[in-house]
Amino acid sequence: GIQVEQSPPDLILQEGANSTLRCNFSDSVNNLQWFHQNPWGQLINLFYIPSGTKQNGRLSATTVATERYSLLYISSSQTTDSGVYFCAGGSGGSNYKLTFGKGTLLTVNP
Amino acid sequence: DAMVIQNPRYQVTQFGKPVTLSCSQTLNHNVMYWYQQKSSQAPKLLFHYYDKDFNNEADTPDNFQSRRPNTSFCFLDIRSPGLGDAAMYLCATSRITGGQFFGPGTRLTVL
Repeated sequence: GIQVEQSPPDLILQEGANSTLRCNFSDSVNNLQWFHQNPWGQLINLFYIPSGTKQNGRLSATTVATERYSLLYISSSQTTDSGVYFCAGGSGGSNYKLTFGKGTLLTVNP
Repeated sequence: DAMVIQNPRYQVTQFGKPVTLSCSQTLNHNVMYWYQQKSSQAPKLLFHYYDKDFNNEADTPDNFQSRRPNTSFCFLDIRSPGLGDAAMYLCATSRITGGQFFGPGTRLTVL
């Protein structure tokens, strides 16, 4: 199966700073998602983005499928952005099944 | 609002005592998933249903079973919980294409 690498593993920011999280895939994917896990453990779907660029408020994501990576941008970070960010990918005919990366633990300090 | 609901949110059981976790959805998605997540780890897929077809991951222990009586509901049965089964259990749903949507999870404690 595909391997998913996320970087950095940990990130500490001051409120208001911008950040970029990266996700690399060992093989081509045709399903790619970004999630935020809040302090209570729920995974929130941020983006479904197998290719291209999407924006939702202060968050945006870009996937370059041909180069097997995706980026998540967080602008003007807030303390509520803290948590773990996971990317996950799927490939082939069963691409609805996801392989998760190990996550990036983001801490935003006031 | 369309959503994925999990009950209970917290479950305490004794070593070896069977436990059932439930998941329901109002999204009318045809795929439902169960994940296990231990502290500081990524979610690990246990199995999924594509409509009524059950698909077990190769490394899912036999101790874990699942039932999907209809489109809306899915259950996770742990026949004889061990201390190593203490974890967060996450249910998710999706269509064949598009994003997966997760419930709030059930945190299982095994005494």
